[in-house]
Amino acid sequence: EIVMTQSPATLSVSPGERATLSCRASQSISSKLAWYQQKPGQAPRLLIYGASTRATGVPARFSGSGSGTEFTLTISSLQSEDFAVYYCQQYNYWWTFGQGTKVEIK
Amino acid sequence: QVQLVESGGGVVQPGRSLRLSCAASGFTFSAYAMYWVRQTPGRGLEWVAVISFDGLNKYYADSVKGRFTISRDNSKNTLYLQMDSQRPEDTAVYYCAREQPDKYMDVWGRGTPVTVSS
Repeated sequence: EIVMTQSPATLSVSPGERATLSCRASQSISSKLAWYQQKPGQAPRLLIYGASTRATGVPARFSGSGSGTEFTLTISSLQSEDFAVYYCQQYNYWWTFGQGTKVEIK
Repeated sequence: QVQLVESGGGVVQPGRSLRLSCAASGFTFSAYAMYWVRQTPGRGLEWVAVISFDGLNKYYADSVKGRFTISRDNSKNTLYLQMDSQRPEDTAVYYCAREQPDKYMDVWGRGTPVTVSS
């Protein structure tokens, strides 16, 4: 099983600031990585696929990068609606998720 | 708009069965592979099962293999998950999700909670 490790577990950020979330795979997954946003009581929402391609309707302040085993999700200027939990997921070999990074208001 | 709506969750005793449904609308259901994914506070998000667009190919996570069965009825735009021999560790919110050709999940339902407890 490919293990996905996200860091940090919690990120405290002020509105308007930049947030950088990390995700590491236990073995190379090429660019087969997706990022999801989840708010309380809601389903996960696809933000990024292919490590760096924004899904339809996702604001340009969200960007993804990386390949192989190291990946990053950057939110350039946090808006109030961006405070949520973010998950990475690999789909190179079956499907596994990271444990999530909670982005909270500082 | 594209929508997935799960139903059928509830409280069930260990060893008993439950069937979940996922009603799809707003897209050509028969053209897409579909997933079940579950979420718990302790184990996070866990892929459960996937079925091909035509229902001919099905794959399961080791944790549910032999106990759960994924199926679909393309004439009814509905996905199913038959859960037999349930265990307390099956307690979770169950989501259905649509697959894009590159094998990632692009649309999710809101989920249905399942509690396995005596």
